[in-house]
Amino acid sequence: AQKITQTQPGMFVQEKEAVTLDCTYDTSDQSYGLFWYKQPSSGEMIFLIYQGSYDEQNATEGRYSLNFQKARKSANLVISASQLGDSAMYFCAMREGRTNAGKSTFGDGTTLTVKP
Amino acid sequence: GAVVSQHPSRVICKSGTSVKIECRSLDFQATTMFWYRQFPKKSLMLMATSNEGSKATYEQGVEKDKFLINHASLTLSTLTVTSAHPEDSSFYICSASNPRGPNSNQPQHFGDGTRLSIL
Repeated sequence: AQKITQTQPGMFVQEKEAVTLDCTYDTSDQSYGLFWYKQPSSGEMIFLIYQGSYDEQNATEGRYSLNFQKARKSANLVISASQLGDSAMYFCAMREGRTNAGKSTFGDGTTLTVKP
Repeated sequence: GAVVSQHPSRVICKSGTSVKIECRSLDFQATTMFWYRQFPKKSLMLMATSNEGSKATYEQGVEKDKFLINHASLTLSTLTVTSAHPEDSSFYICSASNPRGPNSNQPQHFGDGTRLSIL
């Protein structure tokens, strides 16, 4: 069975600094995708970044990068140059298989607070 | 713009009322949609997988008769909370993936969620 673990219930970071949000996963499948989503207090889920299990390069999207260590089964999110608007809850998720139709498993989330 | 639309965004109603929540894919046909329930500051809990033209697949512990799911078309899934009680108060959110994406890196597209409050 899939399992996602986010060990940091809450994190604080100073504005303009970088922060790493941890995510480890467990799966017996060889093909899977890892996703990070941001959920502001308004509730909508915003897709941030994706990493495929066969991708050799770490994914990057603007200020977001994913530190993918396959052997350790970790997929940490790095946010550079934090902004006040980054304050939100962040979820790591995994989807097994090669299609887009599979269901995803979510971690418990990390609440990030950016301090001015 | 949004590719998945969810309505209503907020519902407040009396105990015993049935509440219907709609989830529409706007730019693609979604043969599969997902319904989640989320408590404050908690993770998304998958309730069921909605399959177009067939019965929904419910996760363990989710009451099928309580949470009715209908996926009558390729762009619309509905969740009906029947005879709602205060313990059903929660944030419900749907999602869908575009099955015609070229590879598996297409994220789930989420609706904006529905805050349900049962008095």
